Amino acid sequence: ETGVTQTPRHLVMGMTNKKSLKCEQHLGHNAMYWYKQSAKKPLELMFVYSLEERVENNSVPSRFSPECPNSSHLFLHLHTLQPEDSALYLCASSPQPEGSGNTIYFGEGSWLTVV
Amino acid sequence: GQNIDQPTEMTATEGAIVQINCTYQTSGFNGLFWYQQHAGEAPTFLSYNVLDGLEEKGRFSSFLSRSKGYSYLLLKELQMKDSASYLCAVRDSNYQLIWGAGTKLIIKP
Repeated sequence: ETGVTQTPRHLVMGMTNKKSLKCEQHLGHNAMYWYKQSAKKPLELMFVYSLEERVENNSVPSRFSPECPNSSHLFLHLHTLQPEDSALYLCASSPQPEGSGNTIYFGEGSWLTVV
Repeated sequence: GQNIDQPTEMTATEGAIVQINCTYQTSGFNGLFWYQQHAGEAPTFLSYNVLDGLEEKGRFSSFLSRSKGYSYLLLKELQMKDSASYLCAVRDSNYQLIWGAGTKLIIKP
């Protein structure tokens, strides 16, 4: 139990579907993140939220749309995805978005397969 | 560009010692992290180094040399449960975390 919970753990969707990934953190942190993890590649930072405001968007295609309604919840809305978007999507949180010793805590991820 | 290099895969024997190296080229340095990730699970925090030297935590130790852009994670008295991927990450001058691709460690009996 890492204090960061993601649902669903597994998702299969067609390229024309619309789905959402959900993340909830129980750690009282102010910053939340979405990462993409593909096999044998470094973690790719997608979005960063600090106190519910988006502070970073790393050139992510518009078919990925984040939402942060409060500091404990983060969503990733998915629509018209491509097969190359199939990956493990990791949510994470940290006490604040910056600071050298700021440790990030990850959820167990949502495995996404686009068919 | 910024880059983190670590071996793709390593194999070691139960009870032995293994050292996983990480070299980095980043724009600035504000700390280095090691995470452990078991297959299908969340990456979990192992260690943090910001000053040169060795940090010890039980069977795990992490070393940093900022002048060489180099770190290693040392695992002693290896157990089967240590089979996992080990991720190295560096926080750059903008406090962005730059990640390596991870080292898959296989422990054999």
